[in-house]
Amino acid sequence: KAGVTQTPRYLIKTRGQQVTLSCSPISGHRSVSWYQQTPGQGLQFLFEYFSETQRNKGNFPGRFSGRQFSNSRSEMNVSTLELGDSALYLCASSLRPLGGNQPQHFGDGTRLSIL
Amino acid sequence: KNEVEQSPQNLTAQEGEFITINCSYSVGISALHWLQQHPGGGIVSLFMLSSGKKKHGRLIATINIQEKHSSLHITASHPRDSAVYICAVMGAQKLVFGQGTRLTINP
Repeated sequence: KAGVTQTPRYLIKTRGQQVTLSCSPISGHRSVSWYQQTPGQGLQFLFEYFSETQRNKGNFPGRFSGRQFSNSRSEMNVSTLELGDSALYLCASSLRPLGGNQPQHFGDGTRLSIL
Repeated sequence: KNEVEQSPQNLTAQEGEFITINCSYSVGISALHWLQQHPGGGIVSLFMLSSGKKKHGRLIATINIQEKHSSLHITASHPRDSAVYICAVMGAQKLVFGQGTRLTINP
């Protein structure tokens, strides 16, 4: 069974641009959650999608958005990129929504660098 | 004060030593996760706990719900155990993470 796949693995952008990251969950998983990891703030929850609906959102500005498609694949978009957006972006999938007692399966992440 | 606190932040030990990493949290939770992150970024879920104790190979995780505390133990540590170990708690429909413990096991 294929794991969680994130593309691209590495990305370099400049300030002011926008970026779209992709996450394909494990087959059958309907929940996809996104996280940002930086050296200063550690791992922080961005948002979760389940059955194409955003269930919860972390404390991030509106420049960070996402969506989920009917096949459960999810995309995350960041607009008007800032230097502070440089981070490792991770997604995780699970069968049921966050809040239940079930393991999260993480992808390898997309490392985004802003110049 | 962070909702999830881990200690120590860094730990260096010799191969074969018994390792303990601690996690304390201040919020109500439905489950606690222990995660392992190797250089390069990928995260592996080691344990998910809501009570008691779990064991997988040389790894043991315990949780005390009343004291809001969990520990991850590694017996007979090995250099391949070198990684960052992260505690995460499932609160109100989201995961809240500790800052991680960087473990280095020297041969």
